[in-house]
Amino acid sequence: AQKVTQAQTEISVVEKEDVTLDCVYETRDTTYYLFWYKQPPSGELVFLIRRNSFDEQNEISGRYSWNFQKSTSSFNFTITASQVVDSAVYFCALGGQTGANNLFFGTGTRLTVIP
Amino acid sequence: DGGITQSPKYLFRKEGQNVTLSCEQNLNHDAMYWYRQDPGQGLRLIYYSQIVNDFQKGDIAEGYSVSREKKESFPLTVTSAQKNPTAFYLCASSMTSGGYYEQYFGPGTRLTVT
Repeated sequence: AQKVTQAQTEISVVEKEDVTLDCVYETRDTTYYLFWYKQPPSGELVFLIRRNSFDEQNEISGRYSWNFQKSTSSFNFTITASQVVDSAVYFCALGGQTGANNLFFGTGTRLTVIP
Repeated sequence: DGGITQSPKYLFRKEGQNVTLSCEQNLNHDAMYWYRQDPGQGLRLIYYSQIVNDFQKGDIAEGYSVSREKKESFPLTVTSAQKNPTAFYLCASSMTSGGYYEQYFGPGTRLTVT
């Protein structure tokens, strides 16, 4: 079965601190994709990144970085030097061959960055 | 600018009335989706469409209906049969169907039924 677990429901950090959002997934597919989305207070989900199951290289984009580890079925997201604008709900999602027309979303992690 | 539009942003209806939420995209995407989001929860799939004139039920299709007469449009009707219609509704599209492509989302419609 496809499943995404985001165990951290809410996280609060002080501005400029680093923060890591955890994502653990379950799948029997050999080929699959992992995604992160940001949902600011306005409500619209903003696509951040897609990774395929064959590429375990970490990725960095500005203050954002992602750590994909197949051995632990995790795809964690780190924000370095957090800013107030990073306050949002972050969703991890899984797509693959099973239920091929759908992305399976985790329940999200609400991040609050305190000035 | 390419994107997805949903209107209205807020919608209020009386119980027992059907209501239609609009979703339009100009990204030339084949696949479109409707999700429901309840407070503190993730997204649940209502319906999706891979191509014009074709659509499939998602995990929570009961009480909802859709149509896909044009590639750009995928309206969702919340019928009076939906027991708890108050929620935030998000429309999305992707290049094609399949769990391989990122989905792009509209701004959402917050529906309140009293």
